[in-house]
Amino acid sequence: DTAVSQTPKYLVTQMGNDKSIKCEQNLGHDTMYWYKQDSKKFLKIMFSYNNKELIINETVPNRFSPKSPDKAHLNLHINSLELGDSAVYFCASSRQYSNQPQHFGDGTRLSIL
Amino acid sequence: RKEVEQDPGPFNVPEGATVAFNCTYSNSASQSFFWYRQDCRKEPKLLMSVYSSGNEDGRFTAQLNRASQYISLLIRDSKLSDSATYLCVGPYYNQGGKLIFGQGTELSVKP
Repeated sequence: DTAVSQTPKYLVTQMGNDKSIKCEQNLGHDTMYWYKQDSKKFLKIMFSYNNKELIINETVPNRFSPKSPDKAHLNLHINSLELGDSAVYFCASSRQYSNQPQHFGDGTRLSIL
Repeated sequence: RKEVEQDPGPFNVPEGATVAFNCTYSNSASQSFFWYRQDCRKEPKLLMSVYSSGNEDGRFTAQLNRASQYISLLIRDSKLSDSATYLCVGPYYNQGGKLIFGQGTELSVKP
């Protein structure tokens, strides 16, 4: 009965590959997010979707493409992976997109070789 | 000035101590704030929401000072299990739920 679940938990791949991370929430929330946490531990938002509509798109390379097939799912596809993409990627969700606390998945640890 | 700034620590305290963290924010229009806790290599988890004049939850008290634009977290009677990184978080006003996370304050409670 995990609230926000993301897969895979670990992802080790070669530079130049294309990979996807999936996220699902069963909290009935309207809004979902992708965050990146790098080695310096800063947690930075990448994207946010509200009811399948993109509402936040930070300065992220267009190699990163989110997709929300429905409001319970937000996937992240990454093309042509680079060394600098190595980080922990967290999915999160919240009831609404304004002033609401967010619930996080347990992260995907991406390592680029 | 960073949008949300906090002392990274580490704060090393003995069990039973009282410890306080401060966090300053730059956007005066921010409406609400949160404290999250993040254990090593785990996801951030909501510790407390901070609204208006602050709130208390057991050993934890959060305060908001709008005039000086800072929030604080006070932990009384520290437990070993309180060891973690505490993230100060504020929403970016009118930016669709964009939360700005501080860099985190590391707390280590020793026996």
